[in-house]
Amino acid sequence: DVKVTQSSRYLVKRTGEKVFLECVQDMDHENMFWYRQDPGLGLRLIYFSYDVKMKEKGDIPEGYSVSREKKERFSLILESASTNQTSMYLCASSFRTGSYTFGSGTRLTVV
Amino acid sequence: QKEVEQDPGPLSVPEGAIVSLNCTYSNSAFQYFMWYRQYSRKGPELLMYTYSSGNKEDGRFTAQVDKSSKYISLFIRDSQPSDSATYLCAINTGTASKLTFGTGTRLQVTL
Repeated sequence: DVKVTQSSRYLVKRTGEKVFLECVQDMDHENMFWYRQDPGLGLRLIYFSYDVKMKEKGDIPEGYSVSREKKERFSLILESASTNQTSMYLCASSFRTGSYTFGSGTRLTVV
Repeated sequence: QKEVEQDPGPLSVPEGAIVSLNCTYSNSAFQYFMWYRQYSRKGPELLMYTYSSGNKEDGRFTAQVDKSSKYISLFIRDSQPSDSATYLCAINTGTASKLTFGTGTRLQVTL
């Protein structure tokens, strides 16, 4: 069964910590995406990558960075976590212009 | 104006009802239309995928696209409590890798 795996379901971090969210897909997809989802705001794109070592900013990249060293892995980094980054983070992958496959999400709380 | 508009609900219906979920979009270049279902505290999963105008049926679900009106719909027949979830429409042009998502409609099917 093909899937997108996010390393943590729940995380609690302190303000100012550096936070790493990991995402791995086993479908050999070129494209990978990081979204955050907040009530009333829907899915907001943070960063995406269409190839190894390639990245593009989404709609809300401030305070985040990403890394894609291998095709199957896409990491989201919160350089210095803040309380307004408390959210549900969703990773997705796709083949070219196809539909997305999402991970189960990581619910991050910054205290 | 948002590229994709979707009523957030919540929409509450009794078991067995026919449900109609809708999105409107503004960009006539959109060609691929999808519906995702998201259960609470889970990632979205692909429900329906269609390319052309007209209807596509899969069991109790029917996706309808009207490109002339820039309007897409998802119909659920004989709704069940297990259909209670948030439904997101998603659209792309076919030449870009990114999907544009609606904000989602929360559906509650009651016994």
